[in-house]
Amino acid sequence: GAVVSQHPSRVICKSGTSVKIECRSLDFQATTMFWYRQFPKQSLMLMATSNEGSKATYEQGVEKDKFLINHASLTLSTLTVTSAHPEDSSFYICSAGGHSLITGELFFGEGSRLTVL
Amino acid sequence: KQEVTQIPAALSVPEGENLVLNCSFTDSAIYNLQWFRQDPGKGLTSLLLIQSSQREQTSGRLNASLDKSSGRSTLYIAASQPGDSATYLCAVRNQAGTALIFGKGTTLSVSS
Repeated sequence: GAVVSQHPSRVICKSGTSVKIECRSLDFQATTMFWYRQFPKQSLMLMATSNEGSKATYEQGVEKDKFLINHASLTLSTLTVTSAHPEDSSFYICSAGGHSLITGELFFGEGSRLTVL
Repeated sequence: KQEVTQIPAALSVPEGENLVLNCSFTDSAIYNLQWFRQDPGKGLTSLLLIQSSQREQTSGRLNASLDKSSGRSTLYIAASQPGDSATYLCAVRNQAGTALIFGKGTTLSVSS
């Protein structure tokens, strides 16, 4: 299957700082990328959908000014958690799909665990 | 709005047992359905993808079925092993280009 790489896998930061998470599709062009958040013992909750070259579409209740998403190329999307606070501590996972993937399967990164002190 | 429900929330079985995990979804007009495995603290491993036009998919000891009209899917695991212990997530995609909507998962524990 197609490969999606996410970096960093773990990050610990102080409250008030900003953290950037990268999501790359390594062997296909990802026209659409999705960002999810998973709290402990909970399922994955969709945060936003980003299409290459367009502004991201955020789910209800997700602050677009806090979670900045950039999808400037067909292989890279970034999620920046601005002015992070302890309640932002979570597991963030990206997912990617592309027109070349005729099965419509979505592929997931390895996830990034954010801990805000 | 699509909602995905998985039953049971947790399941404990002895090694060697065959088992079924259930997934239901409220809107039957889906594009496809995927089953994933997630180990504690880890990302997702895709197990099976079923297109809306398909009835089932098989991979090794895993078999997933889809009954779109009734809004149900099952994941059958044959001859379970301790290494199968994980959380199994069902997710549906309503249309091409949209995100997967996840259920809360079934946490499986297989004892040796």
